[in-house]
Amino acid sequence: NAGVTQTPKFQVLKTGQSMTLQCAQDMNHEYMSWYRQDPGMGLRLIHYSVGAGITDQGEVPNGYNVSRSTTEDFPLRLLSAAPSQTSVYFCASSFRDSPLHFGNGTRLTVT
Amino acid sequence: EDQVTQSPEALRLQEGESSSLNCSYTVSGLRGLFWYRQDPGKGPEFLFTLYSAGEEKEKERLKATLTKKESFLHITAPKPEDSATYLCAVRSSTLGRLYFGRGTQLTVWP
Repeated sequence: NAGVTQTPKFQVLKTGQSMTLQCAQDMNHEYMSWYRQDPGMGLRLIHYSVGAGITDQGEVPNGYNVSRSTTEDFPLRLLSAAPSQTSVYFCASSFRDSPLHFGNGTRLTVT
Repeated sequence: EDQVTQSPEALRLQEGESSSLNCSYTVSGLRGLFWYRQDPGKGPEFLFTLYSAGEEKEKERLKATLTKKESFLHITAPKPEDSATYLCAVRSSTLGRLYFGRGTQLTVWP
C-alpha cells in the first residue's frame, strides 16, 4: 500500500499562475482533506470531502477549489496564486472518525 | 469557539530526562483527541487516539492521558530519535472537524 501520495513535492509559481496539487489514496477512505501548514500557525483545514461528489469548505478556503470525482483522488486547485499561499500543503484521508493518514506534503513557493 | 493550545512551544531534554507535553482544548463535544509525531519534511504520523477522560494509551517511551480539559504526552527516558514535533488535534462534534494545535518541538540531545 502506498497510503496517501502527493505530487509534486516542490513547486515554484509566479503570482497569478494557476496549478493543481494532486492527492491520491489507496485505502478506500471516504474522508479526504487538504491542510496548509505555516510556521507558528499549525495545520489549517482548507477543504474536505466525505465521499465522491461531496466537498465542503474548511477554515481557509479562499483562493482554492476542490473536486472529488472518485474515492481515490482529491486534487486541490490554486486559481490565481498569491504570495500568501506560500506554504506546505498536506493531503489526508481516513475512515469516518478514525485518525487521519497524511501524505508527505507539497512545498509551494509563490514569488 | 473550538480551540486547541499546546505547550511548551519548544522543549529541549537531555537523553533520559523524562518530561510531559500539554494539550489543552475547548471544543463543543469531544469526538476524539489525537496525538501525532511530525519529522522535518514529512507528514504527521499518527500516535494515539483518546476518547474519554481517564483514558490512557502507551507506546514504547510515550504515554498519552486525557482529562476533560487537557491531554498530556509523557515521555519517559527519551532518546535522540524521539526528537520531532508533536501535534495534538481534537475532533469536534460540530461538523466532525479536526482542530490542530501548533505543536511542541522536542529536541533530545545525547
